[in-house]
Amino acid sequence: GAVVSQHPSWVICKSGTSVKIECRSLDFQATTMFWYRQFPKQSLMLMATSNEGSKATYEQGVEKDKFLINHASLTLSTLTVTSAHPEDSSFYICSADLAGETQYFGPGTRLLVL
Amino acid sequence: TQLLEQSPQFLSIQEGENLTVYCNSSSVFSSLQWYRQEPGEGPVLLVTVVTGGEVKKLKRLTFQFGDARKDSSLHITAAQPGDTGLYLCAGARGGYQKVTFGTGTKLQVIP
Repeated sequence: GAVVSQHPSWVICKSGTSVKIECRSLDFQATTMFWYRQFPKQSLMLMATSNEGSKATYEQGVEKDKFLINHASLTLSTLTVTSAHPEDSSFYICSADLAGETQYFGPGTRLLVL
Repeated sequence: TQLLEQSPQFLSIQEGENLTVYCNSSSVFSSLQWYRQEPGEGPVLLVTVVTGGEVKKLKRLTFQFGDARKDSSLHITAAQPGDTGLYLCAGARGGYQKVTFGTGTKLQVIP
């Protein structure tokens, strides 16, 4: 099946710093990728839809200036958490859309902001 | 936002028992997917159902899409410890794959 990777798998940072998370589709091209956030014992909440070559579409309540998304190629989308705070600590998961039929999920990135 | 409610939220059963997880919504979906997620990992797709009334089987797992395409169920026969995990349903509208995830059901199968 299609493989999606994320890097890093986990990151610890100080409050006020920025963190970049990469999402790559390894064996297919994805014009659309999605970014989710998952808090402990909760389901996945869609943050934004990342479209190659255009601006991301953010869900209601998600600050676009805080969560910067760049989808520069058909295999890479990045999420940058700017000026991170402890409340941004979460499990961030991306997915890549294969031919508009199926989403394949990455393994997730655990972010801890001290 | 179309809400997908799953029930039960948590289920702890003995190995060999059967169980059913429900996924309900007031909205119609063009397709519905079931995922299983283990701690610290991303969700893994189990099945996609697209036709109202459709039933799909994956070994001991049986998935059904409601006739009105608003609800779905997952039935596991003779549960095994390896079935332990978080089960998530997710509904998609139209051909676009932006999905809404259900609230999740955490299953624990005790040996």
